[in-house]
Amino acid sequence: QQQVKQSPQSLIVQKGGISIINCAYENTAFDYFPWYQQFPGKGPALLIAIRPDVSEKKEGRFTISFNKSAKQFSLHIMDSQPGDSATYFCAASRPDDYKLSFGAGTTVTVRA
Amino acid sequence: KAGVTQTPRYLIKTRGQQVTLSCSPISGHRSVSWYQQTPGQGLQFLFEYFSETQRNKGNFPGRFSGRQFSNSRSEMNVSTLELGDSALYLCASSPGLAGGTGELFFGEGSRLTVL
Repeated sequence: QQQVKQSPQSLIVQKGGISIINCAYENTAFDYFPWYQQFPGKGPALLIAIRPDVSEKKEGRFTISFNKSAKQFSLHIMDSQPGDSATYFCAASRPDDYKLSFGAGTTVTVRA
Repeated sequence: KAGVTQTPRYLIKTRGQQVTLSCSPISGHRSVSWYQQTPGQGLQFLFEYFSETQRNKGNFPGRFSGRQFSNSRSEMNVSTLELGDSALYLCASSPGLAGGTGELFFGEGSRLTVL
């Protein structure tokens, strides 16, 4: 059973556009919500993460929006670049669990 | 600082065989986790070790096992391989301390093909 539901499965965006990926969770014990980026042939790498005490976190062109009441969070990639083409995974974990529950992943393709 | 190293990177086995995969974590990291990645199931948690003790285990059959050594290096073993075990097996390390950020540092994975 997927504890974190992620959508869309894939998306194509033009260079300079905005990519938006959404995730939803059910377990209210989750308190850590990271996003990982994975390029072909590589392992996932942490992109940005948020905890429920804030509603938004921004790092460069990447922003996480968090809605605790709706149990949803999303990743916005602003000014998308061809180098952003990768698979993005949202994830969640409980306190001191050290086990991430991953979403199914979204393949982002940025067209030049 | 060297990253997480996994060996072998690629391997081919036949049904019924067993396989052992190795993972060297980032220096100083005491927690090692293993994940299975497949196109159909995505990233699934296998188990996590901290200071040679298994702290958490995912929903995989007993054919999947692991261990961690005193130097934090870890191995996972899959016995009696099935076609469905074909996957990318990812190892991740972290400091593993309580109250930590929870960030995992992944290796590039071991791609297992079962024929």
